[in-house]
Amino acid sequence: AQKVTQAQTEISVVEKEDVTLDCVYETRDTTYYLFWYKQPPSGELVFLIRRNSFDEQNEISGRYSWNFQKSTSSFNFTITASQVVDSAVYFCALSVQSNYQLIWGAGTKLIIKP
Amino acid sequence: DVKVTQSSRYLVKRTGEKVFLECVQDMDHENMFWYRQDPGLGLRLIYFSYDVKMKEKGDIPEGYSVSREKKERFSLILESASTNQTSMYLCASRGLAGGLGETQYFGPGTRLLVL
Repeated sequence: AQKVTQAQTEISVVEKEDVTLDCVYETRDTTYYLFWYKQPPSGELVFLIRRNSFDEQNEISGRYSWNFQKSTSSFNFTITASQVVDSAVYFCALSVQSNYQLIWGAGTKLIIKP
Repeated sequence: DVKVTQSSRYLVKRTGEKVFLECVQDMDHENMFWYRQDPGLGLRLIYFSYDVKMKEKGDIPEGYSVSREKKERFSLILESASTNQTSMYLCASRGLAGGLGETQYFGPGTRLLVL
């Protein structure tokens, strides 16, 4: 069975702090993809990044970075110098060959205080 | 730019009414999805369509039906709305070119309140 765990239900930090959102996944498939989405208060789910199981290279996009480690089945997301606009619910998701669906984590609510 | 639109952002209906939620994508995607999102329950898949006139049940299809007569449009139908269908409804679409790695793109969501 496949599963995505986001153990942090809610994180609150002060603006300009760095923050890391954890994502741990379970699958026996050797080919899979991992995703991060952002859901601001407006409700729309915004795609942030996609990673495949054969590419463990870390990704940096501006203040956002992602650390993919197959050894620990983790795909963590770090925001550097957080801003109030980063406040949102962040979801991690898994796509596997044997299941057309996305398997979603429960989400982490991130609150950035000014 | 990727574009998925939903017919309404907010909707208020009465118990027993027939409700139509429409989703349109302009990316020529084969796959389209309807989810509902509830506090504490996360995102749950209601129905999925992999082609015109084709559909598959997701995790929670009871009380819902869908229609896909054209590739760009996927409708979710609540035959007789009930209060427990009050929720946020999200539509998504996905192409096939990248296989299982293709990204799902979401619409803005519809917040439905059934009174």
